[in-house]
Amino acid sequence: DAGVTQSPTHLIKTRGQQVTLRCSPKSGHDTVSWYQQALGQGPQFIFQYYEEEERQRGNFPDRFSGHQFPNYSSELNVNALLLGDSALYLCASSLIDRDLPNTEAFFGQGTRLTVV
Amino acid sequence: SQKIEQNSEALNIQEGKTATLTCNYTNYSPAYLQWYRQDPGRGPVFLLLIRENEKEKRKERLKVTFDTTLKQSLFHITASQPADSATYLCALGLTGGGNKLTFGTGTQLKVEL
Repeated sequence: DAGVTQSPTHLIKTRGQQVTLRCSPKSGHDTVSWYQQALGQGPQFIFQYYEEEERQRGNFPDRFSGHQFPNYSSELNVNALLLGDSALYLCASSLIDRDLPNTEAFFGQGTRLTVV
Repeated sequence: SQKIEQNSEALNIQEGKTATLTCNYTNYSPAYLQWYRQDPGRGPVFLLLIRENEKEKRKERLKVTFDTTLKQSLFHITASQPADSATYLCALGLTGGGNKLTFGTGTQLKVEL
């Protein structure tokens, strides 16, 4: 089991550009959440995808969008990049189980995005 | 306003001692609370989950308590080792939150020989 995999691991972009980050969830998981972690801070929830739909969204602008594919993998897109978007972007997968709610999340190693 | 506070300063302890990390929250009613370990440049790794109706959970050298009256969770590592050095994050989950987690800023733990 490869666990949660993210690509790329590092990325440098210029202000105003667009970026796409990718995530493959842990085998058997159907839910993918994306988090942004600035240096020295805890991860901040961006949004969550389940059954190919955005189910919940944190306090992030519309420049942040996503997608989930039928195989449960997911993409995070950020448009019109700002310097402040520089952060570690984390993908977490979990399994929505109505009989056992609130299970742990498995995180990928993250994508370090630097905007210059 | 809603806040999750963890020890802002790094915690330095001697090998073999018990490390105790604190997570306090304000204006939340979490259904559960989780603790994660994060090493530099890596994603968080799940350690323990405790639900609102549980007082204490243990796993090997780890123990977590959850006091919904004090709005506080304590995380203990007994017989600490240098390999336990990392940042520890607490995260709250809300009823109906669908596994969405709200994290604290984390506490950096350093275990010295």
